Parts: sequence; C-alpha cells; structure tokens
Amino acid sequence: NAGVMQNPRHLVRRRGQEARLRCSPMKGHSHVYWYRQLPEEGLKFMVYLQKENIIDESGMPKERFSAEFPKEGPSILRIQQVVRGDSAAYFCASSLTSGGSTGDTQYFGPGTRLTVL
Amino acid sequence: AQTVTQSQPEMSVQEAETVTLSCTYDTSENNYYLFWYKQPPSRQMILVIRQEAYKQQNATENRFSVNFQKAAKSFSLKISDSQLGDTAMYFCAFMRDNDMRFGAGTRLTVKP
Repeated sequence: NAGVMQNPRHLVRRRGQEARLRCSPMKGHSHVYWYRQLPEEGLKFMVYLQKENIIDESGMPKERFSAEFPKEGPSILRIQQVVRGDSAAYFCASSLTSGGSTGDTQYFGPGTRLTVL
Repeated sequence: AQTVTQSQPEMSVQEAETVTLSCTYDTSENNYYLFWYKQPPSRQMILVIRQEAYKQQNATENRFSVNFQKAAKSFSLKISDSQLGDTAMYFCAFMRDNDMRFGAGTRLTVKP
C-alpha cells in the first residue's frame, strides 16, 4: 500500500510565478491536510480538505493561496505570484476518517521543498 | 487555542543509552490525541507513537514509550537503547477534531 505521494519533491520558482504542489493521499483516505514548515520550525497547519470540499482553511493566507481536492485526482495546493517568503517545505498528510477513532492518524508525504528565487 | 511546547531545542545521547524528550501542551479540552513524529534528515515525517487522552495506559512502540500525565498536560517520549538511526528532529503534536498543532521540535543526536 503506497504511502502519501507528493510531487514535485523540489520546486524552484522566480518571484511572481505560480507554484502547484500535488498530493495523492494513501489509498482509501479521503481526508487531506496541508502544512508548511519554515526552516528550523515545526509544521504549521494550512488547510484541511475532503473530496470536493474545503473543511478548514483557517491556516491558509487569504491572498495568493488556494487548495482543492477534486473528485478525481490529487489534491493541489496552488500559490500564485510567489514571493521569497513562500520558500518553505510543504507537507501533505492524509487520514482515513475525521476523528474519534483509530483511523484519524495523519500520515505524511515526503514534502515539497519550494524555493523562490 | 491549543499550544504545544517543547522546551529542549537540542539533545544528545550515547548509543544504547536512554533519552527522554519533553512536551507540554495547553488545552481546555478533555478528549484529544497526542503524537510524536520523527523527521530524519530526509525530511520525511514519520509517526512514532500515538496516545488517546481517554486512555490512562501509556502507549509503547518497541523502544519508544510515552509518559502521559493528563493533569499536568505533559507528554514525554522515552527512547530506550538509542540507535544511530534515531538521530532526527522529534515533533510533539496535539490534535482535536483534525486540528493538529505541532511543537517547535527537539533535535536529537545519537552519538556512537
């Protein structure tokens, strides 16, 4: 059973370009979470999605950032007009259920390291 | 809001020795989950151990065990018989209703 997949692993963008980060959850998981990790810091929650729905986007900046999890295909985190401060590692996690059971443990992908020049 | 505090930015231990990493959290909730994740140099986040707050028994996973003190809001991780492969950043995390908060991490170095 493949784990959470993220691609690309490394992404370099110039200021003003768009970045698209992809996440395929573990098989059978319908809950996806995105986190951002700045150097030497812990992970900060950005957004929580289920298929075709955004459940909680309280950690995601209102400007330039968007996320989706379509019925078919991976979840996408999109950053428009990137700035140097967007440089970070972006992790995706998935879970089987939404809490209250052993299925809500979040399993993480390998992350995408975004570098903005 | 829930906060998670890891007061030890860095720790080191000799191979085969035991080390304990500290974690405290702040919440007014009664039901929640606590986790320890390991992040080796590869940057992959690996689940080490999980604890449900309603369970009094401390969770264990092979060489890894926790000391969960609910009243004190403390959740420390004990690594026994440390191995070189345990060298990594260790993050404590609190979760309720899919809202997961991480501590700043402890960098553990296992010395040969």
